[in-house]
Amino acid sequence: AQKVTQAQTEISVVEKEDVTLDCVYETRDTTYYLFWYKQPPSGELVFLIRRNSFDEQNEISGRYSWNFQKSTSSFNFTITASQVVDSAVYFCALSDVSGGSYIPTFGRGTSLIVHP
Amino acid sequence: EAQVTQNPRYLITVTGKKLTVTCSQNMNHEYMSWYRQDPGLGLRQIYYSMNVEVTDKGDVPEGYKVSRKEKRNFPLILESPSPNQTSLYFCASSLERGHNEQFFGPGTRLTVL
Repeated sequence: AQKVTQAQTEISVVEKEDVTLDCVYETRDTTYYLFWYKQPPSGELVFLIRRNSFDEQNEISGRYSWNFQKSTSSFNFTITASQVVDSAVYFCALSDVSGGSYIPTFGRGTSLIVHP
Repeated sequence: EAQVTQNPRYLITVTGKKLTVTCSQNMNHEYMSWYRQDPGLGLRQIYYSMNVEVTDKGDVPEGYKVSRKEKRNFPLILESPSPNQTSLYFCASSLERGHNEQFFGPGTRLTVL
């Protein structure tokens, strides 16, 4: 069965610090997709990135970067020079085709608090 | 504007009183799903639909029903709500299956007394 673990329940940093949010996943499939979503205090869920299992290239988007390592089954998310607006709950998710179903599994989320 | 809408946004009801939360998307997406979000538990999928008239159970389907008569709409039905269904509910849609990014509605906060 697929599983996503976000071991950090809450992280607190001061503005301009770099912060890494960890995501470890489990799946038996060779084809799968990994996602990160952001949920700011306003409550909506916003898609950040999708990665398929065949693409281990790291991605950078502005201050955001993602490190996908199949060897350790991890898909970590780093925010460089954090800002107050980065304060949110971040969810990592995994989608595979286990048993023919398409049930994305979300981690429990990491609450990031950025202090000014 | 491409979006997923949900109604109502907030609902307080009593045990056993049937309710429906509507969900509609205007992106012609095939895949739609419902999630509930509870503190410390993240998002858990209730039901999903891969296309019109095709629905299937997610991780926590007990106590819920859905239907997909039209591509754009995917209502969530609680026939006899109970207090343990008090939660924040999200509807989501994506281009196909569960492998694409999902677009989420604004959420419906349901309280069952």
